[in-house]
Amino acid sequence: QKEVEQNSGPLSVPEGAIASLNCTYSDRVSQSFFWYRQYSGKSPELIMSIYSNGDKEDGRFTAQLNKASQYVSLLIRDSQPSDSATYLCAVNSYTGGFKTIFGAGTRLFVKA
Amino acid sequence: DVKVTQSSRYLVKRTGEKVFLECVQDMDHENMFWYRQDPGLGLRLIYFSYDVKMKEKGDIPEGYSVSREKKERFSLILESASTNQTSMYLCASSPFRQSGAVEAFFGQGTRLTVV
Repeated sequence: QKEVEQNSGPLSVPEGAIASLNCTYSDRVSQSFFWYRQYSGKSPELIMSIYSNGDKEDGRFTAQLNKASQYVSLLIRDSQPSDSATYLCAVNSYTGGFKTIFGAGTRLFVKA
Repeated sequence: DVKVTQSSRYLVKRTGEKVFLECVQDMDHENMFWYRQDPGLGLRLIYFSYDVKMKEKGDIPEGYSVSREKKERFSLILESASTNQTSMYLCASSPFRQSGAVEAFFGQGTRLTVV
């Protein structure tokens, strides 16, 4: 079982719709969870972090965390064509030092 | 702004060559990482370091080694390059926090082609 799993997509949504991206992780002691966005040919950049169960909102983005189910999600409201990218779920895991483990990413296409 | 700089954007090397990929960060971060990114496989951790002269194997260390002689610099070494090491290599750094609640900052990536 992979440590961090995501549907690879592609996920296609119309402009203005809500895009829902999901992620599960295997390490129960993980405490820190992140969503990165990666445009084609570019490096990943952080868009959301979440550390406690529940929802965290930042503009059009909402991250949701359920540690009991080992599940993290990202909702993008009012999706725009500029949101088209690969979204990477990441989890910090401790093995002598903290390492960041990434999922394979979900490709999102927002159609104008 | 945090800056993570990788020495080359594109590299072409021959099979069997020893290859050095350099990464420098300017924010005094304790943690540094090397990932490779391949289509459909996402970012896979090769090695990471949480202190000078310290290194830990990631998920795919075979065929690679690393060096961290100074806090700001983390080098990835391909001892004898092979064609299956053709990939995008990404370096990242993050500060130490006891909780682990820190983001990783990435360099621009090095696209390595081994012929």
